Formats: sequence, structure tokens, C-alpha cells
Amino acid sequence: AQSVTQLGSHVSVSEGALVLLRCNYSSSVPPYLFWYVQYPNQGLQLLLKYTTGATLVKGINGFEAEFKKSETSFHLTKPSAHMSDAAEYFCAVRAKVGNEKLTFGTGTRLTIIP
Amino acid sequence: EAGVVQSPRYKIIEKKQPVAFWCNPISGHNTLYWYLQNLGQGPELLIRYENEEAVDDSQLPKDRFSAERLKGVDSTLKIQPAELGDSAVYLCASSLGGGGTYEQYFGPGTRLTVT
Repeated sequence: AQSVTQLGSHVSVSEGALVLLRCNYSSSVPPYLFWYVQYPNQGLQLLLKYTTGATLVKGINGFEAEFKKSETSFHLTKPSAHMSDAAEYFCAVRAKVGNEKLTFGTGTRLTIIP
Repeated sequence: EAGVVQSPRYKIIEKKQPVAFWCNPISGHNTLYWYLQNLGQGPELLIRYENEEAVDDSQLPKDRFSAERLKGVDSTLKIQPAELGDSAVYLCASSLGGGGTYEQYFGPGTRLTVT
């Protein structure tokens, strides 16, 4: 069964600084990978996803993530943090075959320091 | 296009009471999901519907939880009786299809507090 581990339940960065949220997956074969964002009292919104092909994936709001098979990682980055980026971020994994359940990590709360 | 609609947004009940949550998915979405999100955790799948059929309910505690999706559109999730440990956010999501890279669209959730 696949799983994801998000390193750091809380991350704080200054406005304008680089955002780096870490995600490592565990799966016997490379899965589909997703990043979701959740604002307070709202549902989750898809930021980006990796399926096949190009390993650097660009998403909404200036975020991007790179799939690294050798490191089993899918870290989320943004060059310059904005106050509106403050939210909870979830990495998720889904097997390409067989079990189609989307499995989420425990989340990382991003705080932006003015 | 309207998103996934859930009601109520908040519910406070006493333990042992019944409670029901309602979800209206995005029009045309055949697949509907109910997730449980505990505080500080990611969502966990409770049940997935393909049209009217529940195709994955392995994580649904069937002794007290039940769900239905009438006519393959709206869905209701019920808890009877509720326990203190059921306090959480219940999220509904929908997608065009049930597998692969289909994007799941989430509703705002129902926050349940059991006292």
C-alpha cells in the first residue's frame, strides 16, 4: 500500500522568501502524486499533480513540485512567499493500478511572517 | 459552475444522538467520496460511490455509519448513535471518474462536535 510522509507539521517563512514543503512517498511503483491546499474552514483545492512525463510540475498560484524517483520525493516549492499562501498543505498519493484510493499525508501548516 | 455543496456547515449534538450530513456533487460527476478529517490530520476515505453503487466502503464503520446516494446524485452520510470520537470534519468530494488522474473537487465540509 502506498503512503506519504510530510516532514514538518509547521513551516514558517518570511514574505518574499522561498517556500519549501517536503513530501516523501512510499510505493512499490511510482504513483500519481498530488499537492492540495486547504484554507481555514474550506475544502481542499488541487494545486498540482504528477502523472507521467515531465518531472517538474507547475501548478496554480506560482507553486511547482519536482518528482524525484531516486529520492521518492515530491517537494513543493514557491520562489517568493505571499501572505495569501498561509494555509494547510497536503501531499497525496494514488496508485496507478489496482487500489485507486487517494492517501493523504498529515499536512503542513504554512505561516507567512510579514 | 457551482462547486460541491455540503450542509450543514456546523453541527453540535450530544453523544448517542443521530446526525446526518448532506452532499450535492458537481453536476455530471459520477464519482462521489466521503472523507473524515480529524484535527491536524489529512482526510481519510470513508466511502466512494460510482453512480449509485458503493464501490469502496472498507473504511466505513458500519455499526454506526451509513451512507446512501439516491439516483446517483446527492448523498447522505448518517451516524447513529454518535460518539465523542466522531467529532471531526466530514468532507464530501466528487470527480468525473473514479480512478487515475481525475481531479477530486472538495466541498467545504461539515464540522461535527459531539458533546
